[in-house]
Amino acid sequence: QKEVEQDPGPLSVPEGAIVSLNCTYSNSAFQYFMWYRQYSRKGPELLMYTYSSGNKEDGRFTAQVDKSSKYISLFIRDSQPSDSATYLCAMSARRDYQLIWGAGTKLIIKP
Amino acid sequence: DTGVSQNPRHKITKRGQNVTFRCDPISEHNRLYWYRQTLGQGPEFLTYFQNEAQLEKSRLLSDRFSAERPKGSFSTLEIQRTEQGDSAMYLCASSPGGAGELFFGEGSRLTVL
Repeated sequence: QKEVEQDPGPLSVPEGAIVSLNCTYSNSAFQYFMWYRQYSRKGPELLMYTYSSGNKEDGRFTAQVDKSSKYISLFIRDSQPSDSATYLCAMSARRDYQLIWGAGTKLIIKP
Repeated sequence: DTGVSQNPRHKITKRGQNVTFRCDPISEHNRLYWYRQTLGQGPEFLTYFQNEAQLEKSRLLSDRFSAERPKGSFSTLEIQRTEQGDSAMYLCASSPGGAGELFFGEGSRLTVL
């Protein structure tokens, strides 16, 4: 079993929909949680960085961490075709530790 | 553009040849990482530098792989005697702080024939 599980998709939704992307993990020591967005043939780009439990909002994006369930989510409101990309979750137990990555979920927003 | 720069963007080589990739990080970042990514997978950590010191290297990394960061500026990743299994995207990232705040380059894609 992988330490971080992420549904590979693809997840296809119509423009304007609310998107929910999720990761589950097994290591209860993880405290730092990140979401990266990766367009085809490009490097990942940091979207959200959260510490411990709770929510964090940035524009149309909301990151949610539920440590009791070992479950993190990324919500995208008013989704746009430009949001079509692969979304990778990553996490670590300490700020200096190397990240453990999910395999990514491919998201397609249909105009 | 002051982002992370990687060269070459794409390298095609024959099995057994050596290849070298270069990464120029964001100038004020003292941490530099190399990752490898294959299709449908997340990035796999290879190695990490803080300034010129190589502080960590993946146990999965073959002896055919070597990385340097002379003078704590740009970095090179060399793969000797390439194998078809080395075909992947090689990503460089720099960071001003923790391992999670990574700024990636566009990657160098390696195809080994």
